[in-house]
Amino acid sequence: GDSVTQMEGPVTLSEEAFLTINCTYTATGYPSLFWYVQYPGEGLQLLLKATKADDKGSNKGFEATYRKETTSFHLEKGSVQVSDSAVYFCALYSGAGSYQLTFGKGTKLSVIP
Amino acid sequence: GAVVSQHPSWVICKSGTSVKIECRSLDFQATTMFWYRQFPKQSLMLMATSNEGSKATYEQGVEKDKFLINHASLTLSTLTVTSAHPEDSSFYICSARDRGLGGYTFGSGTRLTVV
Repeated sequence: GDSVTQMEGPVTLSEEAFLTINCTYTATGYPSLFWYVQYPGEGLQLLLKATKADDKGSNKGFEATYRKETTSFHLEKGSVQVSDSAVYFCALYSGAGSYQLTFGKGTKLSVIP
Repeated sequence: GAVVSQHPSWVICKSGTSVKIECRSLDFQATTMFWYRQFPKQSLMLMATSNEGSKATYEQGVEKDKFLINHASLTLSTLTVTSAHPEDSSFYICSARDRGLGGYTFGSGTRLTVV
């Protein structure tokens, strides 16, 4: 079945540091890939997505490229801010069955001034 | 953009009572709603999937008689935690799939504390 593996946190960075959160996946066919962000005490918000190989999703300075050959969708940001402190979830939708998303376990990011 | 309103945002109830959580899609039709439970180490557990007008499909290990899900219209789904116990305390999140655009929108979550 489908699965998503993302790096375990927590990740603590200083402001303006470079961020990478690794995400790899296993899925049938050609899934759509997503990154969601959850701020403390809130639900999830879509951060970015990519629907086919080599697509790059980007939003708010975050980027991720759909790499079919390595089945990866790593999240990157060149310079993090304190306001980026949140939990980040990688997810996929393979198009099968009940439309449900498959999530990774989440990576908690803390950015310190 | 698409918005899902989830209420209440937090609730404290006594053990043995029932609690209802509502999720409403405000500007789109949600043919499919998902209910998740989030555990302290942040991982999301899908509890059930509901399609408008039909019975919910529960994930393995989720008691359907305890977690009652109703999806009576294209804009409203409810989760009722019946006879709640302290171990049901958790953060519950709904997600709606937009029939038109195919995207997923999440509610803001409900923190349930059973005392």
